[in-house]
Amino acid sequence: DIQMTQSPSSLSASVGDRVTITCQASQDISNYLNWYQQKPGKAPKLLIYDASNLETGVPSRFSGSGSGTDFTFTISSLQPEDIATYYCQQTLTFGGGTKVEIK
Amino acid sequence: QVQLVQSGAEVKKPGASVKVSCKASGYTFTSYGISWVRQAPGQGLEWMGWISAYNGNTNYAQKLQGRVTMTTDTSTSTAYMELRSLRSDDTAVYYCARDYIAAAGKAFDYWGQGTLVTVSS
Repeated sequence: DIQMTQSPSSLSASVGDRVTITCQASQDISNYLNWYQQKPGKAPKLLIYDASNLETGVPSRFSGSGSGTDFTFTISSLQPEDIATYYCQQTLTFGGGTKVEIK
Repeated sequence: QVQLVQSGAEVKKPGASVKVSCKASGYTFTSYGISWVRQAPGQGLEWMGWISAYNGNTNYAQKLQGRVTMTTDTSTSTAYMELRSLRSDDTAVYYCARDYIAAAGKAFDYWGQGTLVTVSS
């Protein structure tokens, strides 16, 4: 099975900061990598699919990049409403999640 | 609009079974697959399996093989997930999620609201 290593597990940043989360696959997964946002008590929400495609309606401050084994998710300017846990997902496996908090 | 509406919370004893439903609306049910994903309290997301609403083909996570069964009823546009021989570590919120067919890989664009299953003696 392919393992997904996501880091960091948590981070604290100020409003307006650039936030970066990484996800590493244990083997080449091409661009089959998605990113979700989950707020407490809610279902996950798809933000980025196929590594870099922004889902319809998702603000442009969210972006994704990478291919092969190394992927990056970026929030260009952190907003208060972005407080959530973010997960990467490859086909059948999710990363461990990154909890994003406001400093 | 697309909606996936799940059945309500359940409390079960160890060794029992639970069956969670996921009623779809707002799209052609048989055109999309449905996955089930669970989340233990305070933990991450775990993919449990997938079912094609078109032909009923399934693919289950290896660790759940033999304990989980996913089915659909196309007459009511409803997907079901049954988990048997429940253990305390099956306590989780269970989600159904629709395949995102615009994605080259497997992604999920719509999710149910979640169903809390508590396993306790």
